Amino acid sequence: QVTLRESGPALVKPTQTLTLTCTFSGFSLSTSGMCVTWIRQPPGKALEWLALIDWDDDKYYSTSLKTRLTISKDTSKNQVVLTMTNMDPVDTATYSCARASPGSAFDIWGQGTMVTVSS
Amino acid sequence: SYELTQPLSVSVALGQTARITCGGNNIGSENVHWYQQKPGQAPVLVIYRDSNRPSGIPERFSGSNSGNTATLTISRAQAGDEADYYCQVWDSSTVVFGGGTKVTVL
Repeated sequence: QVTLRESGPALVKPTQTLTLTCTFSGFSLSTSGMCVTWIRQPPGKALEWLALIDWDDDKYYSTSLKTRLTISKDTSKNQVVLTMTNMDPVDTATYSCARASPGSAFDIWGQGTMVTVSS
Repeated sequence: SYELTQPLSVSVALGQTARITCGGNNIGSENVHWYQQKPGQAPVLVIYRDSNRPSGIPERFSGSNSGNTATLTISRAQAGDEADYYCQVWDSSTVVFGGGTKVTVL
């Protein structure tokens, strides 16, 4: 059974750096074709894709956010970490990770973690 | 950058057919994926690569893609189909989501 779970702070202050961890099970990110991606959703708004890392350590970022994002993986721990710098209240959202394959769909999602940016 | 356009809302009578469109420039040449999201829940993949259903997704859900429009069709709509639906494509090594469509079953 494939599962993903997001963890991180529920509250961050403006200008701080957010660090989120996606811990997964049921698949290996060292397997060819496997990827993990991050998506966020502000309250009441649409899904927004953030970043993706693949089994070969290739990384892909949202064009509008790429200067603020870093994605990395620890294959031995089955974890993917996303950092987002210079947080702002508009970054308040539920942040989710999902399993993916390059060019394909996000077939399994975590439940997401709500992050509020406020002083 | 590539944009996907969805209607904000679609209403369908119980037992009837709902069609949710996703517009994009020559989207017919892309693989389109569809997600269902119910309030307070994570999105669920309902159609991948235009017209394929993951295991566990009812046959009532189908998809098509041609020209500048991809379509998710929900046949024999049920109350449990009320949700937000998002289309998604890959474009130049980035991912694009549509703005989402709220489906209401009357």
